[in-house]
Amino acid sequence: KQEVTQIPAALSVPEGENLVLNCSFTDSAIYNLQWFRQDPGKGLTSLLLIQSSQREQTSGRLNASLDKSSGRSTLYIAASQPGDSATYLCAPRSYNTDKLIFGTGTRLQVFP
Amino acid sequence: GAVVSQHPSWVICKSGTSVKIECRSLDFQATTMFWYRQFPKQSLMLMATSNEGSKATYEQGVEKDKFLINHASLTLSTLTVTSAHPEDSSFYICSAGGGSGSFEQYFGPGTRLTVT
Repeated sequence: KQEVTQIPAALSVPEGENLVLNCSFTDSAIYNLQWFRQDPGKGLTSLLLIQSSQREQTSGRLNASLDKSSGRSTLYIAASQPGDSATYLCAPRSYNTDKLIFGTGTRLQVFP
Repeated sequence: GAVVSQHPSWVICKSGTSVKIECRSLDFQATTMFWYRQFPKQSLMLMATSNEGSKATYEQGVEKDKFLINHASLTLSTLTVTSAHPEDSSFYICSAGGGSGSFEQYFGPGTRLTVT
């Protein structure tokens, strides 16, 4: 059974810092991994999708890496801004079950 | 990207009544849709996999007779919460993709259910 853990659980930083959010998963047989953002009381916004054959993906100030064999993905946020404040979720899609399983999330607060 | 809609966006119902939530893929066909539930300050938990034209597959611990799922077409799946109780109050989110495996999953905006 796929289990997904995210570290840290919460993070509070001043704006301008470069951030590292970690995601680990127990079953490395995955199709891909998605990173999402969720604002309080809202739905999910997809940030990045990394296929199992890829090592990283970039979108603007966001960069996600994937080390499938070790069951790890990292989301880098450059030059953080208060508007980045949200919960960030990672979700690998297991090859065997075809299901997207969500991590525990990292609650990020960026203050001015 | 593709768009998935949910209706209603929020609903309040009395204990013992049933509530239906719709999930639609607006610009693509989805043979499979997924239903998730999210309690406050927790992550999304997969409830069931909805397959067009066949019965849904439920995750362990999810009552199939309480959470009825129907996937009547390639663009519509419905989740009916039967005989709702206050503990069913939650945020329900659906997702859909153009295919299995490597295709991206697109998520609906969610439905907030409050049972009084």
